[in-house]
Amino acid sequence: DGGITQSPKYLFRKEGQNVTLSCEQNLNHDAMYWYRQDPGQGLRLIYYSQIVNDFQKGDIAEGYSVSREKKESFPLTVTSAQKNPTAFYLCASTIQGTGGTQYFGPGTRLLVL
Amino acid sequence: AQTVTQSQPEMSVQEAETVTLSCTYDTSESDYYLFWYKQPPSRQMILVIRQEAYKQQNATENRFSVNFQKAAKSFSLKISDSQLGDAAMYFCAYRSARGNQFYFGTGTSLTVIP
Repeated sequence: DGGITQSPKYLFRKEGQNVTLSCEQNLNHDAMYWYRQDPGQGLRLIYYSQIVNDFQKGDIAEGYSVSREKKESFPLTVTSAQKNPTAFYLCASTIQGTGGTQYFGPGTRLLVL
Repeated sequence: AQTVTQSQPEMSVQEAETVTLSCTYDTSESDYYLFWYKQPPSRQMILVIRQEAYKQQNATENRFSVNFQKAAKSFSLKISDSQLGDAAMYFCAYRSARGNQFYFGTGTSLTVIP
């Protein structure tokens, strides 16, 4: 079955620690995205990538980093510089251009210890 | 950047009744795509319906239909014969035909009353 997987489902971060959230897709989509969702709020774009080895900052990129070494994978690192990382993180992908639909993974819940 | 506005933070509907969720957007483009997504308590985002701006005909998917008013930049979602499983957060989204970035509204929380 084609789809987007995110792991882990829950992640705990200690003070000063970097953590990495995984996102993998087998839909052969070119573009991939990371969103942050806080309680009662909509989706805010952190980073997106339209092609391998290229990515652009979204609205709230500070304290986060990404890489895109493979078409299928777009991991997100939450660095120690992100002072308020507790949130729900959603990964998504879509076909380049043509107004394609954005498909989402199941999400990762990040909590700070 | 385009903006998407959902002016109803919460809505409720009786089971088997009809409810309409509102969405407006701001854009200077003529070619774009609009979406409604559903986020149930599991938090998995699910596509409900998609509309191409160049099509005058309103999209429908079973009990879900849209009222797309391009001149008014309005894109409302109508849910007919509401079911308990329709209870969720609903997000309206915009995508330009020229780019890959999506813009989301802040969502409407729908409660279905048995």
